[in-house]
Amino acid sequence: GAVVSQHPSRVICKSGTSVKIECRSLDFQATTMFWYRQFPKQSLMLMATSNEGSKATYEQGVEKDKFLINHASLTLSTLTVTSAHPEDSSFYICSALAGGGGTEAFFGQGTRLTVV
Amino acid sequence: QKEVEQNSGPLSVPEGAIASLNCTYSDRVSQSFFWYRQYSGKSPELIMSIYSNGDKEDGRFTAQLNKASQYVSLLIRDSQPSDSATYLCAVNMYIQGAQKLVFGQGTRLTINP
Repeated sequence: GAVVSQHPSRVICKSGTSVKIECRSLDFQATTMFWYRQFPKQSLMLMATSNEGSKATYEQGVEKDKFLINHASLTLSTLTVTSAHPEDSSFYICSALAGGGGTEAFFGQGTRLTVV
Repeated sequence: QKEVEQNSGPLSVPEGAIASLNCTYSDRVSQSFFWYRQYSGKSPELIMSIYSNGDKEDGRFTAQLNKASQYVSLLIRDSQPSDSATYLCAVNMYIQGAQKLVFGQGTRLTINP
């Protein structure tokens, strides 16, 4: 299957700082990428849909000013958690749709964010 | 009603037996259906996709789709302890004009040696 690389895999930051997470499709072009958050023992919660060259579409209840998404190229989307607080600690996962109108989504390795 | 529903389990199956995982979905016009496997602390891994009614087999895995009943299932034959994981059903839906992959809550499967 297609490869999606997410970086970093684990990050610890201080409360009030910002953290940037990168999601790259390595061997295909991804016009659409998704960002999810997952709390322990829960399913994935879609945060936003990122489309190359346009503004991200956020799910209800997700603060777009807090979770900044940039999809500047067909292979890279970034999620920046601004002014992080302990309640933002979670597992953040990106996925990308395989190109050519494909509907299969491939996931990055995930980023474990801990805000202290 | 949730858009994609799964029994959260846990489901325990003896090694070598068949594990059966079920999923129902609400959107009648959905055309693409997926099963992902997620190990604890890891991100989901795509194991099966199915688009047409009937069965699709890949090794020990068989996905079954019944669009009339809005039902999709995954069978794992000759279950192995390494199959112990959470299995997520996902359905591609168009919601308010946007394509989204909607997940069920996942079924936790344990294969007992």
